[in-house]
Amino acid sequence: GAVVSQHPSRVICKSGTSVKIECRSLDFQATTMFWYRQFPKQSLMLMATSNEGSKATYEQGVEKDKFLINHASLTLSTLTVTSAHPEDSSFYICSAQDRDEQYFGPGTRLTVT
Amino acid sequence: GQQLNQSPQSMFIQEGEDVSMNCTSSSIFNTWLWYKQDPGEGPVLLIALYKAGELTSNGRLTAQFGITRKDSFLNISASIPSDVGIYFCAGAAYSGAGSYQLTFGKGTKLSVIP
Repeated sequence: GAVVSQHPSRVICKSGTSVKIECRSLDFQATTMFWYRQFPKQSLMLMATSNEGSKATYEQGVEKDKFLINHASLTLSTLTVTSAHPEDSSFYICSAQDRDEQYFGPGTRLTVT
Repeated sequence: GQQLNQSPQSMFIQEGEDVSMNCTSSSIFNTWLWYKQDPGEGPVLLIALYKAGELTSNGRLTAQFGITRKDSFLNISASIPSDVGIYFCAGAAYSGAGSYQLTFGKGTKLSVIP
């Protein structure tokens, strides 16, 4: 199946700093990528849809100025958490669409201290 | 918005037993997907279903897309210890511009007793 990578796998940052997470589709091109957040023992919640070459579409309640998404190429989308706070600590997972299916990255564990 | 009800929430079974879990929705989906997630990892796609009534197998896994397009089930036969994990159903709906959005169930945590 299609392979999606994420980097970094874990990151610890101080409150008030910004963190960038990369999502790459390794063996296919993805015009659409998705960013999810998952809190412990909960399901995945869609944050935003990232379309190559255009602005991301954010879900209701997700601050677009805080979670900056850039999808500059058909194989790379980035999520930047700006001015991170402890409540932003979570597991962030991206997925890339290949035809009718979505393939997920391994996730990034963000801890804000 | 769309909501998926996934049950059971958790299961404890003996190795070798069969397992069944299901999802129901208040809305119609174009596609049903079943994923497995191990701790600290992203979900891995197990089975994708595209047509109402479709029954698809992948090894010991069998899943069906309900006739009404509002439900799906996943069966695991002859469970083994490595089946342990959280299983999520997801319904895919076309969201325009060639993309599909997924709505996830809350997951079924499977524990297999050797």
